[in-house]
Amino acid sequence: NAGVMQNPRHLVRRRGQEARLRCSPMKGHSHVYWYRQLPEEGLKFMVYLQKENIIDESGMPKERFSAEFPKEGPSILRIQQVVRGDSAAYFCASSPPGRNGYTFGSGTRLTVV
Amino acid sequence: GESVGLHLPTLSVQEGDNSIINCAYSNSASDYFIWYKQESGKGPQFIIDIRSNMDKRQGQRVTVLLNKTVKHLSLQIAATQPGDSAVYFCAEKGGGATNKLIFGTGTLLAVQP
Repeated sequence: NAGVMQNPRHLVRRRGQEARLRCSPMKGHSHVYWYRQLPEEGLKFMVYLQKENIIDESGMPKERFSAEFPKEGPSILRIQQVVRGDSAAYFCASSPPGRNGYTFGSGTRLTVV
Repeated sequence: GESVGLHLPTLSVQEGDNSIINCAYSNSASDYFIWYKQESGKGPQFIIDIRSNMDKRQGQRVTVLLNKTVKHLSLQIAATQPGDSAVYFCAEKGGGATNKLIFGTGTLLAVQP
């Protein structure tokens, strides 16, 4: 069991570029969650997805951010026209249906220069 | 709004001592709580969880206590070891259809050898 896989581990983008962060959940997990963590802060909920459905996106900024979890393939968090304030660690977690516990990935550290 | 906060941002203990990390939550409807450990550069790692119908739960060297009257959660670590040095987060699930966790800001546990 490879756990929750996120890639890339580190991503550097210039202001105005697009960032794509990928998350492959654990085998058997159909629920995916994305969180953002600023330095020395807690994790802030962004979005909760199931296969082909967005269940809760209450933590997503209204513009430039989008997420998907297609029927096949990893979940993608997409940030368009990145700004320096987007620099953070982005964590993905997954859980099986009907279970409370999450398993987190190692995160993607986005740096906008 | 909903919030989870920690009383002590930094806790320094001697190796072998017991550690107690505290957490306050504000949503009385929360029905599930988790403690996570996060080491530098890594994703959060599950430690122990507790449902709202319980007051106490024990794991290996760790105990979680839940006081619903004052909306307080604590994590006790027995015989603290240098490998326990990390940031510890409490998180709550607010009930209802969404499965999202709300995290506190974290407590840094520093174990002195």
